[in-house]
This record gives sequence, C-alpha cells and structure tokens, in this order.
Amino acid sequence: EAGVTQFPSHSVIEKGQTVTLRCDPISGHDNLYWYRRVMGKEIKFLLHFVKESKQDESGMPNNRFLAERTGGTYSTLKVQPAELEDSGVYFCASSPGTQLREPLHFGNGTRLTVT
Amino acid sequence: QKEVEQDPGPLSVPEGAIVSLNCTYSNSAFQYFMWYRQYSRKGPELLMYTYSSGNKEDGRFTAQVDKSSKYISLFIRDSQPSDSATYLCAMSGTSGSARQLTFGSGTQLTVLP
Repeated sequence: EAGVTQFPSHSVIEKGQTVTLRCDPISGHDNLYWYRRVMGKEIKFLLHFVKESKQDESGMPNNRFLAERTGGTYSTLKVQPAELEDSGVYFCASSPGTQLREPLHFGNGTRLTVT
Repeated sequence: QKEVEQDPGPLSVPEGAIVSLNCTYSNSAFQYFMWYRQYSRKGPELLMYTYSSGNKEDGRFTAQVDKSSKYISLFIRDSQPSDSATYLCAMSGTSGSARQLTFGSGTQLTVLP
C-alpha cells in the first residue's frame, strides 16, 4: 500500500511569491489533514477535509492560505503571498474514517523556506 | 501556557537502557493519547495509542496515561540504536477543536551502541 505522498519535498521561494504544495493521500482515505511545524514550535493542525468538503479549517492562520481537494482525492495548499513566518515543514495526513481511534498516516512533509 | 508540555531533550542513553519519555497537558477534554516516532526528514509514525487512563504494552514499548495528574509516559525497554529518533506525544478530545491532534514539541532520543 502506497503511503501519503507529498510534493515537493523542499521548496525555497522569496517573500511575496506563491507556492503550491500537493498531497496525495492513501487510496480510499476520505479524511485528509494538513498540519505544519514552524521553526521551534510544535506541529499544529491547519485543516481537515472529508472527501472534498472542509470539515474543520480552524487552524488556518490567515487568508493567505488556501486549501482545496477537488474530487476528494489529492489536495493542494497554496500560500499567496508567502511571508517569512510561513517557513516550516508542512505535513499532510490521511485516515480512512473519522473514528478517533483510527491512526493518522503522515507524509514526509514539504519543507518550505521563505527568504 | 502550552496545552502540551514535553521536554525536548536531547536524551542520550546506552544501548539496552530503559528510556522514559513524558508529557504533561492542561486540557481535561483530551481523551485519546498517542506517541509518534519521527525519524529525520520523515513524517511522524504512530507508535502507541491509548484511550483514557491506563497502560498499554506493545513489544518493547509501554504507554501509560494518568488523567488525574494529566501526565502521560512512554517507556522503551532494551533500547536499540534504531530507536534513535524524535518522539512526539499527541492527544485529542471528542468534540469541536479538541478532535484535532495537539502535539508536544518532541523529545530527541539517541541510543548509543
């Protein structure tokens, strides 16, 4: 079974530019989550999709971040325009259902550096 | 104040030692407690999962939850160099924003051969 795949693995952009991160969840997983870890901080929740619908986006930091999951398969997270404080590692995770006992399967993350 | 406190380490132990990793938390709504292991440049990997208070054992790993003290622990017996990684505690509740995973900052562990 293929795991959660994230692309790119690393992105370096200048302040003010746009970056789009992509996540391919495990096939058949309806639930997709975005988390991020900024330097020196804990991994924090950004948002949760159930299929193509946003179930919870309470962790999105501001309107420069836009997440989509068209067709309920892969998801993209766009940052526009990027700021220095957006630097960090962005993780995607997926799970088959919403039972709290079901583990989240994490991807290896996209390391974003904004200069 | 952070919802979850975890000593970042680093922690260095000799091979074969018993390792104790801990987290404290402040949100009494947390009901589900997890330990993730993260190798360098990889994503978190679920190690242990516990609901409410009690102990759970899986091979060399034992997770303990004491909800009355808001304290969770992970014990690793007969530690191996391959256990060297960052260990993250995480927890969630049953409603609203508490359903999101809240992570500790992680403890970096090195097991020396």
